[in-house]
Amino acid sequence: DTEVTQTPKHLVMGMTNKKSLKCEQHMGHRAMYWYKQKAKKPPELMFVYSYEKLSINESVPSRFSPECPNSSLLNLHLHALQPEDSALYLCASSQDWDLRSGEQFFGPGTRLTVL
Amino acid sequence: GENVEQHPSTLSVQEGDSAVIKCTYSDSASNYFPWYKQELGKRPQLIIDIRSNVGEKKDQRIAVTLNKTAKHFSLHITETQPEDSAVYFCAASTSAGRRALTFGSGTRLQVQP
Repeated sequence: DTEVTQTPKHLVMGMTNKKSLKCEQHMGHRAMYWYKQKAKKPPELMFVYSYEKLSINESVPSRFSPECPNSSLLNLHLHALQPEDSALYLCASSQDWDLRSGEQFFGPGTRLTVL
Repeated sequence: GENVEQHPSTLSVQEGDSAVIKCTYSDSASNYFPWYKQELGKRPQLIIDIRSNVGEKKDQRIAVTLNKTAKHFSLHITETQPEDSAVYFCAASTSAGRRALTFGSGTRLQVQP
């Protein structure tokens, strides 16, 4: 299995809702990432987990809360989002955080719309 | 921190022509340079990468060159086809410190049939 999967594919939520994005990989990768991508822009790093520990938080607002329950799963909990948070949220994984052993694989993304 | 600049932002070529996209980076400690292709509505996919101990790497119609002294690297696509039309992102990372990929701003390549 050489794939990163994400659910849901699309999500529409109101500013008072609480929702979660899920990401899964079964490649034995020890690093997992959340990115936010706006239209016509590069992916923007949000969080990095290495060996299930949060290694990077790119000063992301607390309304985004990551969680790594085990080495194969990564969640992003959403609460009280703003319309400007509407974007494509990409999960990624790699063998190691330093990318010495191989590439970073991206999931298909969750298209989030905040009303 | 690392800064990656990418040019051009858009590139239109005729089918069969070559396309070249260039990136410069600021951190001399960067040692890994991947290129991703992203089609509309799809995930970024790695098309080729190069590490700092290599000057050039080729995979069929795609090649990447790296000049560590000048801190720039380039993507070369030969014999372009309409299915090469996409947005291409370069990136750079180090194996110590922050380690995460820093992406360029992207190049929209349009191959005209």
